[in-house]
Amino acid sequence: EDQVTQSPEALRLQEGESSSLNCSYTVSGLRGLFWYRQDPGKGPEFLFTLYSAGEEKEKERLKATLTKKESFLHITAPKPEDSATYLCAVQAGGNNRLAFGKGNQVVVIP
Amino acid sequence: DTEVTQTPKHLVMGMTNKKSLKCEQHMGHRAMYWYKQKAKKPPELMFVYSYEKLSINESVPSRFSPECPNSSLLNLHLHALQPEDSALYLCASSQDRSKPEAFFGQGTRLTVV
Repeated sequence: EDQVTQSPEALRLQEGESSSLNCSYTVSGLRGLFWYRQDPGKGPEFLFTLYSAGEEKEKERLKATLTKKESFLHITAPKPEDSATYLCAVQAGGNNRLAFGKGNQVVVIP
Repeated sequence: DTEVTQTPKHLVMGMTNKKSLKCEQHMGHRAMYWYKQKAKKPPELMFVYSYEKLSINESVPSRFSPECPNSSLLNLHLHALQPEDSALYLCASSQDRSKPEAFFGQGTRLTVV
């Protein structure tokens, strides 16, 4: 069974204090690893897709990286508007099933 | 355009009511999904439609009935729900195997009273 574990569960950062979120996964035949941002009461917002080890993607203050066992979402010099829950999901095998981790809840304090 | 539109945004229904949730996308995506999300939990997959055919049903109770009338529309028919079914219901779509990332709607906040 596909497994996705995210750590830490919750993180409080001072504005400008860079940090990283971890997503470790155990799947057979990874087709893609996805990062989403979710604000309370809203649907997840797509951020990145990573397909293979060594791949990196960037968007504003966010950078996602992928190895054969885990992915990191680096937040550089975060601002309060980066406060959200960040969800990691993987898709593996021949179906369309996304397996989600429990999320990293990030709070950035001004 | 990566928009998935869900209606209504909020719904309150009694346990004897019948209601429907609607989802629409115009990105040409051929896979569409229903997820259920409880507070502070990740989304849980309920159903997947691929090319308008039901391909995955995650053992969802029959009081939830999905329907895919065409490639742009996805409905979730609700009947005789329980208070524990109260949750955020999310619709998503994805293109195909070559672009598997799913795009989500803003959800319907359902309260069963």
